[in-house]
Amino acid sequence: AQSVTQLGSHVSVSEGALVLLRCNYSSSVPPYLFWYVQYPNQGLQLLLKYTTGATLVKGINGFEAEFKKSETSFHLTKPSAHMSDAAEYFCAVSQGGGTYKYIFGTGTRLKVLA
Amino acid sequence: KAGVTQTPRYLIKTRGQQVTLSCSPISGHRSVSWYQQTPGQGLQFLFEYFSETQRNKGNFPGRFSGRQFSNSRSEMNVSTLELGDSALYLCASSPDRPPYEQYFGPGTRLTVT
Repeated sequence: AQSVTQLGSHVSVSEGALVLLRCNYSSSVPPYLFWYVQYPNQGLQLLLKYTTGATLVKGINGFEAEFKKSETSFHLTKPSAHMSDAAEYFCAVSQGGGTYKYIFGTGTRLKVLA
Repeated sequence: KAGVTQTPRYLIKTRGQQVTLSCSPISGHRSVSWYQQTPGQGLQFLFEYFSETQRNKGNFPGRFSGRQFSNSRSEMNVSTLELGDSALYLCASSPDRPPYEQYFGPGTRLTVT
């Protein structure tokens, strides 16, 4: 069965510092991988997705993620944190149609310190 | 394309009442999923509808139900509301083709008093 693990339910970084949010997955077949961002009292917004091909995926707001099959990881990074990046981030994996195969991680709340 | 819309955005109900929430998916999307989000339990899957049929169901009591119409719009209903039903209810639509990404609406904030 597939699963998603996000290491660290809370992460704090200083403004201008590197953002690194960790996501590991388990899947019996090559997965599709996603990162979402959620601002307070809003829905989830798709940041980026990995399907096939290039393992470094660029998303919105300067975020990117790298698919590493050998490490079963899909960590989210941003070179320089901005105050507006403070939000909750969710990693998700999909193996096909049907939501029972669409699994979300438990989320990581990012705090950006001035 | 217009995004996923949910109505109402905020709702206050009393214990024992029932409530209906509405979701309009992105045009062309036939898969609609519902999630409950609370601070304690996180994001929990309620159910998914595809072409007017419930395709998947999470682990929620029968008080939670849903339906989907021929235009793919979906409603979810919660009967006999309990205090613990207070949550953000999120709807997501998907094109149901690889990579099956989901697009979320803004949510309905339900408060049960």
